[in-house]
Amino acid sequence: KAGVTQTPRYLIKTRGQQVTLSCSPISGHRSVSWYQQTPGQGLQFLFEYFSETQRNKGNFPGRFSGRQFSNSRSEMNVSTLELGDSALYLCASSRGYTDTQYFGPGTRLTVL
Amino acid sequence: DQQVKQNSPSLSVQEGRISILNCDYTNSMFDYFLWYKKYPAEGPTFLISISSIKDKNEDGRFTVFLNKSAKHLSLHIVPSQPGDSAVYFCAATTTGTASKLTFGTGTRLQVTL
Repeated sequence: KAGVTQTPRYLIKTRGQQVTLSCSPISGHRSVSWYQQTPGQGLQFLFEYFSETQRNKGNFPGRFSGRQFSNSRSEMNVSTLELGDSALYLCASSRGYTDTQYFGPGTRLTVL
Repeated sequence: DQQVKQNSPSLSVQEGRISILNCDYTNSMFDYFLWYKKYPAEGPTFLISISSIKDKNEDGRFTVFLNKSAKHLSLHIVPSQPGDSAVYFCAATTTGTASKLTFGTGTRLQVTL
């Protein structure tokens, strides 16, 4: 069974731009969560979607948003990029929202 | 407020010996705990988990121990192998919201020959 895939793997943007990251969960998984990893803050939860509905949200500004499609694929969007948004963005999927999460390889975003 | 803490940023262990990685938590609502392993440029890989109704869970070379009264858990790897060299993250959540994990800051394990 294929794992969680994320595209693109690497991305370079400039301050003020916006970016969209994509995540395809493991087949049959309906829950998708997003995390941000930075050297200073570690791994932090952004939000989680289940059946196209946001179930949980972390403590991030409104510039961070996401959505989930009917095929469980998910996208996250960051608008008005700041230097501090440079991070590894990880997507994780699980069968249901009470099940173990499996992570994708991440998208490395660099904001210049 | 760091609700999950891994106080040892790094650990070095000889091949064949036991590796013990520790994790403390402060939120008493947490009742499900997981360990992930992470290599550079890859996402975390799930290793083992434990529910608060248990105090021990084993899977091959990996055993997780949970001490609820001390709000402490540990991961034992026996025997340690060079391929175990990675960063290990402890994560915690509450049943019903398992998709929202709170992670520790990680411990870098180096297994030497």
